[in-house]
Amino acid sequence: DIQMTQSPSTLSASVGDRVTITCRASQTISSWLAWYQQKPGKAPKLLIYKASNLETGVPSRFSGSGSGTEFTLTINSLQPDDFATYYCHQYNGYSGTFGQGTKLEIK
Amino acid sequence: QVQLQQWGAGLVKPAKTLSLTCVVSGTSFSDYYWSWIRQTPGKGLEWIGEISHTGSTNYNPSLKSRVTISVDTSNNQFSLNLTSVTAADTAVYYCARGHPFGIYYPYDYWGQGTLVTVSS
Repeated sequence: DIQMTQSPSTLSASVGDRVTITCRASQTISSWLAWYQQKPGKAPKLLIYKASNLETGVPSRFSGSGSGTEFTLTINSLQPDDFATYYCHQYNGYSGTFGQGTKLEIK
Repeated sequence: QVQLQQWGAGLVKPAKTLSLTCVVSGTSFSDYYWSWIRQTPGKGLEWIGEISHTGSTNYNPSLKSRVTISVDTSNNQFSLNLTSVTAADTAVYYCARGHPFGIYYPYDYWGQGTLVTVSS
C-alpha cells in the first residue's frame, strides 16, 4: 500500500491568513493526488484533483501543487467557511489511500 | 444534479453482517465505478471496494475475505455486505462515485454517510 503522510496534523490560523498543508507519498504517484475538505457530520468534498486542478465551483483561493511524492494545498486569504479538516488522497490505481487529515482551527 | 442516497442498519451485532445500499441519480450509472469508503477516528478514511455496472469488482485486500459489493443496474443501486463484523468495523460508511472506465479520478460525489455501530 502507498502510505500518505500529512503535516501538520493541526493548524491554527486567522481569517485572512495564507496556509499550506503538505502531503507526502511513500512512493511516487505522479500527479494522482486529490484534496478534500470535510466538515463535522458531512462527507468529504473534493477540492482539487490531479494535484493542481480546481474542482468546479471551488473558490480560487484554494490551490494545489506538487508531483511525484510531495504535494501541497495552499489556501490564500482564509475565510470563516474554510475552517475544517483537509485530507489528501492518492488514486494511483483503483485502491487509493488517504492521508490522516489536517484540522484547520481558528486561532 | 448528481445524488447518492444511502441507507442501511445503524446497529449491527458482533459476528453478524453489515448491509448498506446506495442509489444513484443524476448521472450515468454505467460510465463509472462505484465505491464504498469508511471513516473511523482511529484509521481515518479507508477504501473498501468498488463495482462497475457489469459487476466487475475490486476490494481492499485487508477486507476482501469479508466484503461483497453487488450492483442492481435496473435501479441504479449498489450494495455493501460486510460479514463477521467486530467493534473495529464501527465507522461512518460512505458510498461514492469513483473513476470513469480507464481513467484515474478521485471521488467527486458522496453519499450522506451512515454511522454503523457494532455492538450487542
